[in-house]
Amino acid sequence: SQTIHQWPATLVQPVGSPLSLECTVEGTSNPNLYWYRQAAGRGLQLLFYSVGIGQISSEVPQNLSASRPQDRQFILSSKKLLLSDSGFYLCAWSVRWGRAEETQYFGPGTRLLVL
Amino acid sequence: GQQVMQIPQYQHVQEGEDFTTYCNSSTTLSNIQWYKQRPGGHPVFLIQLVKSGEVKKQKRLTFQFGEAKKNSSLHITATQTTDVGTYFCAVSSGSARQLTFGSGTQLTVLP
Repeated sequence: SQTIHQWPATLVQPVGSPLSLECTVEGTSNPNLYWYRQAAGRGLQLLFYSVGIGQISSEVPQNLSASRPQDRQFILSSKKLLLSDSGFYLCAWSVRWGRAEETQYFGPGTRLLVL
Repeated sequence: GQQVMQIPQYQHVQEGEDFTTYCNSSTTLSNIQWYKQRPGGHPVFLIQLVKSGEVKKQKRLTFQFGEAKKNSSLHITATQTTDVGTYFCAVSSGSARQLTFGSGTQLTVLP
């Protein structure tokens, strides 16, 4: 069966510090991968998605970046965090081809607080 | 991507009452998905609708896709405390079938 991992689970970082959040998927190959952010009590905003190694598409311009160094690894980074970067970061995956249902499967998320 | 408006933003019901959340779009949708997010948790897929007028049921949950494929609803009959959470509709589009989420309806069930 497929599983998706995210770490760390929670993170408190000072403004201006760097960030690296990691997401890995097991039990599937060639997945589509996604990063979302959810502000407290709000909806989900798509930040980045990837259809393959090294292929990153950005939905919202910001001080965050994403990378996909391996097929099942997706990393969210920042060189200098802003207060507004606080939120709940969710990684998700979906099957790339050949399924009638385009379900996305979410990881447990990382809660980031920037102080 | 396609945009969806979701209402209401919040809903408080007594246990045993029914609950409905609605998603609306100004354009024809290719599909619509529904997700549930428990407090402190991550979104979990409930269902996908793709056909005009489609109705699907999961126990006490009924999902509908409008005839014009511009709106959808999720109805819960006789709510229970386990139904507490935020319900999101979402539309997939693009090369990676990326999702655009509605703003969600936060359901509180009072015992």
